[in-house]
Amino acid sequence: EVLLVQTGGGLIQPGGSLRLSCAASGFTVTNSYMGWVRQAPGKGLEWVSVIFIAGTTHYINSVKGRFTISKDSSKNTLFLQMNSLTVEDTALYFCVRAVPTASGYFDPWGQGTPVTVSS
Amino acid sequence: QSALTQPPSASGSPGQPVTISCTGTSSDVGAYNYVSWYQQHPGKAPKVLIYEVSKRPSGVPDRFSGSKSGNTASLTVSGLQAEDEADYYCSSYAGSNNFPYVFGTGTKVTVL
Repeated sequence: EVLLVQTGGGLIQPGGSLRLSCAASGFTVTNSYMGWVRQAPGKGLEWVSVIFIAGTTHYINSVKGRFTISKDSSKNTLFLQMNSLTVEDTALYFCVRAVPTASGYFDPWGQGTPVTVSS
Repeated sequence: QSALTQPPSASGSPGQPVTISCTGTSSDVGAYNYVSWYQQHPGKAPKVLIYEVSKRPSGVPDRFSGSKSGNTASLTVSGLQAEDEADYYCSSYAGSNNFPYVFGTGTKVTVL
């Protein structure tokens, strides 16, 4: 079964750091197009970052320089390192895989992990 | 880039059809046949319903269908069922020069 299981997240003060993890099973992250999507409370879906098979990365403007997406082949896991967090980063974060190519659709989705930035 | 534009809400009685539009630009929806649609129930992760404008993954009921004309894509639910009450989002590939994907603003579908 193709599955993404997320860990990490939680309550953090403004300016703090968190690392989200997304463990894959049924496929290898290094041979996949992967990304992170977030959803602020009561709001719609918003892309955060993607990483392609060759290692090319993209970030939305609001997180550039603060967030880093990466993959670990030994753990078959996708990561999102989030630094200098602000209250605007408060959201439910989902990891996703794009299939069958970078221009494809997104499946599966992780279960979501909440990030709350508050003092 | 800006989010694709969807109506905030849509509704219909059980068995009735409902159509949701998704309007983008010539740089995303109009440029590629890589529009997908997602259903999200409260507190759950989104689930893909349609990909490449009109294709259905296995397991998705055939009452869900998709189409595209110019810069606007559409999702139609041909016969609403109670379990179709959810939020729906479109997504389009937008090329590799900027951020490669964009979501729609989302539509809340209510079954009356």
